[in-house]
Amino acid sequence: QVELVQSGAEVKKPGSSVKVSCKASEETFNSHALSWVRQAPGQGLEWMGGITPMFGSTKYAERFQGRVTITTDESTKTVHMELKSLRSADTAVYYCTRVALMAPLQNWFFDLWGRGTLVTVSS
Amino acid sequence: EIVLTQSPGTLSLSPGERATLSCRASQSVSDSYLAWYQQKPGQAPRLLIYGASSRATGIPDRFTGSGSGTDFTLTISRLEPEDFAVYYCQQYTSSPFTFGPGTKVDLK
Repeated sequence: QVELVQSGAEVKKPGSSVKVSCKASEETFNSHALSWVRQAPGQGLEWMGGITPMFGSTKYAERFQGRVTITTDESTKTVHMELKSLRSADTAVYYCTRVALMAPLQNWFFDLWGRGTLVTVSS
Repeated sequence: EIVLTQSPGTLSLSPGERATLSCRASQSVSDSYLAWYQQKPGQAPRLLIYGASSRATGIPDRFTGSGSGTDFTLTISRLEPEDFAVYYCQQYTSSPFTFGPGTKVDLK
């Protein structure tokens, strides 16, 4: 079954870091770029960045540059997203998404979404 | 950064009616690199349309995307009960890939 399986909910203190994981199928991991989109409570969608495992290349939204790191573990076909220096505004559901094969190499849209991981930042 | 504006914010309609959703970009979306997603409460978004007018796999033909440049439209020809949801447009012409604020289609 083709799906993206994300890690469980997290509660973090302001100033700390969180690492969210997303396990993909072998075909997805080997053929697609994978990306992260977040959604604050009751709000819209915000693209954060992504990685192309076959090339090891990453792409980040400028507003998250320096604060987010996306990595892969090929042995487990897992993508990780680490967000540092957390603040209350980072409270959101974080979605792992698959970049569609129909998308040009540098132009991403998303044809498969994980169920999301709620990250709550609270003192 | 390309800013997307969606209108109306909320569309109140009945099953069987036609829904017309608008997405406007702050600058031209080249090559019609625009996608539409549907999101139901408590669920992840689902891809409906890419390339402004191509339906994703398994999407019924009552969903139609159109437009180019800065103005795009998603039309649902006859609303089914399962179509009541929030719809987002997304541009992928340039990074950062941005989403509109969404249009909620709710039951009249």
